[in-house]
Amino acid sequence: KQEVTQIPAALSVPEGENLVLNCSFTDSAIYNLQWFRQDPGKGLTSLLLIQSSQREQTSGRLNASLDKSSGRSTLYIAASQPGDSATYLCAVTGANSKLTFGKGITLSVRP
Amino acid sequence: DAGVIQSPRHEVTEMGQEVTLRCKPISGHNSLFWYRQTMMRGLELLIYFNNNVPIDDSGMPEDRFSAKMPNASFSTLKIQPSEPRDSAVYFCASSLKGAGYEQYFGPGTRLTVT
Repeated sequence: KQEVTQIPAALSVPEGENLVLNCSFTDSAIYNLQWFRQDPGKGLTSLLLIQSSQREQTSGRLNASLDKSSGRSTLYIAASQPGDSATYLCAVTGANSKLTFGKGITLSVRP
Repeated sequence: DAGVIQSPRHEVTEMGQEVTLRCKPISGHNSLFWYRQTMMRGLELLIYFNNNVPIDDSGMPEDRFSAKMPNASFSTLKIQPSEPRDSAVYFCASSLKGAGYEQYFGPGTRLTVT
């Protein structure tokens, strides 16, 4: 059974800092990995999707990497801003076509 | 496009009552997913449909839960009878071609069963 882990559960950083959010998964047989953002009381917004054949994806200040063999992904946020404060969830699509989510990292960027 | 639409946004009901949650996927998307989010268990897939056909319902917790997709633009998730432990946020998501493609989430329905 696929398990996705995100540690730590919460993170607080000062504005302007570059930061890395980590995600690990137990079964490397995945189709893709997605990073989502969730604001309080809202739904999920897809940030980046990395296919299993890819190593990384970039969108603006966000860069996500994937090391399938070691079961790890990182989301890099450059020059963090208070507006980046949210919960970031990592999810993998497995061979059974199911999307398995981590519990998320709640990020707070202090002005 | 309006995105994925869910109704109601909030639902408060008493234990034993029937609850029906509704979802309208993005037009043109042929896959629809129902998820449940709780503090304890995080986000869990309950069921997903491809071309209106249920593909995997192994995440449905028990027989009290049922889901239908009568056409490409509408799906329901029903809980009968509801119990306090069903209290959660229920999300609907859709994607263009299946589980391996980017999923777009609705705003969710916050269900409270007293």
